[in-house]
Amino acid sequence: QVHLVQSGGELKKPGTSVKVSCKTSGYIFSNYALSWVRQAPGQGLEWMGWIATHNGNTNYARRFQGRITMTTDTSTRTAYMELRTLTTDDTAVYFCVVVAATSFDFWGPGTLITVSP
Amino acid sequence: QTVVTQEPSVTVSPGGTVTLTCASNTGAVTNAHYPGWLQQKPGQAPMSLIYSINDKHSWTPARFSGSLLGGKAALTLSGVVPEDEAEYYCLIYSGGGIIFGGGTKLTVL
Repeated sequence: QVHLVQSGGELKKPGTSVKVSCKTSGYIFSNYALSWVRQAPGQGLEWMGWIATHNGNTNYARRFQGRITMTTDTSTRTAYMELRTLTTDDTAVYFCVVVAATSFDFWGPGTLITVSP
Repeated sequence: QTVVTQEPSVTVSPGGTVTLTCASNTGAVTNAHYPGWLQQKPGQAPMSLIYSINDKHSWTPARFSGSLLGGKAALTLSGVVPEDEAEYYCLIYSGGGIIFGGGTKLTVL
């Protein structure tokens, strides 16, 4: 079965960067895209972008362009999301999601990133 | 900028039927938006229930169904059970990306 393991929560200072990992198993890695979605405390879901695992092509949500990078390591079946120039508004749980063509199929457990002075 | 709107909260009695909707401020939600629905319970990651209007996963209970209704995407729960109490999010594909609705808190009472 599909299994996603995300890196642990982190406390970051404003202006710094964070890199969240998502290790996958249980399916053919290159057959699905990997998306990242975040959820601020008590708030709704926000799509950040996705990466095509078969060729590394990315599509980022407009509001994150310029400060986000998504990558994958096919040898370890791991996806990464780096977000730079953090502000307190970036405090959220970050989810990785295995995406079929039109379906957000499998969600990771989430990684809490707290940004505080 | 596309904004997707859902009812903030809905209450339904056990055994009842309820329909949640998902509207776009740019016009009708259509099959080209591939609307989907997620369920999220407190402290848990979301779980996909419906994709591409009314396609179900192997784990989606039969009481959940999706449709297009009056220019909106809709999620109907028939024969609601207490465990259906959760937050429900719709999503649409738009402008090359994904937009989530604000979520509907479904209370079973």
